Amino acid sequence: NAGVTQTPKFQVLKTGQSMTLQCAQDMNHNSMYWYRQDPGMGLRLIYYSASEGTTDKGEVPNGYNVSRLNKREFSLRLESAAPSQTSVYFCASSEGDTPYEQYFGPGTRLTVT
Amino acid sequence: AQKITQTQPGMFVQEKEAVTLDCTYDTSDQSYGLFWYKQPSSGEMIFLIYQGSYDEQNATEGRYSLNFQKARKSANLVISASQLGDSAMYFCAMREGSARQLTFGSGTQLTVLP
Repeated sequence: NAGVTQTPKFQVLKTGQSMTLQCAQDMNHNSMYWYRQDPGMGLRLIYYSASEGTTDKGEVPNGYNVSRLNKREFSLRLESAAPSQTSVYFCASSEGDTPYEQYFGPGTRLTVT
Repeated sequence: AQKITQTQPGMFVQEKEAVTLDCTYDTSDQSYGLFWYKQPSSGEMIFLIYQGSYDEQNATEGRYSLNFQKARKSANLVISASQLGDSAMYFCAMREGSARQLTFGSGTQLTVLP
C-alpha cells in the first residue's frame, strides 16, 4: 500500500519552461490537494479537488493549472515557470468525511533558475 | 488576519521532559477541526492528532495530547516524555466548516536535547 506518491522527487527548470507534477493515491480517497511549502510560511493550498471531475482554487493558484485525471490521479502543471515558484510541492488526499485527515506524499523539490 | 498562529519559531526540550507547542486560531465558523502534523528533516508530513470543535474531551494519541481551550481559541500540542526522534518541525492546521482544505500555521521547530 503506497499511499500518496509523487513524481518527480526533484526538478530544476529554467525560467519559462513548463512541467507537470504527478500525484497518485491508492486509498480510494475522494479529495486531493496540492500545497506549496516555502521557508517560514508553512504550507499554502494551491488547488484542490473535492471529488473526481471537480477542481477549485486555493490560496495561491496563480501560475498553476490542475487536472483531476481520475479518482486516483491529480496533476499540477506549471505552464511558464518563474523563480517565485521555487518551492517544495506536496500532494495530499483525504476521504472527505470527518475528520478530513489528509495524507501527504513525500514532496517534490522544484528549483526554477 | 492570520487564521493559524504559531508564535514559537523554535523550541528546545530535554529528553524525557514534556513540551507544549502553542497554536491559536481564528475562525467565525462554529464547526471546525484542528490538526497537528509533524515534519521531520526527511520532509514528509505525518499526521499526529485531531480535535473537532464539538469534541468535549481533549484528544490524545499516545504521547501526544491536544490542550483545546475553545474560549481562548487555542489548540496547543503537548508531547510527553520527549524522545530524540521527536526533533522535527510541527505544524498546526485548521479546517473550517464544511471545507475540506486545511490552513496551516508557519510551524515550530522542536529540538530534543540528549
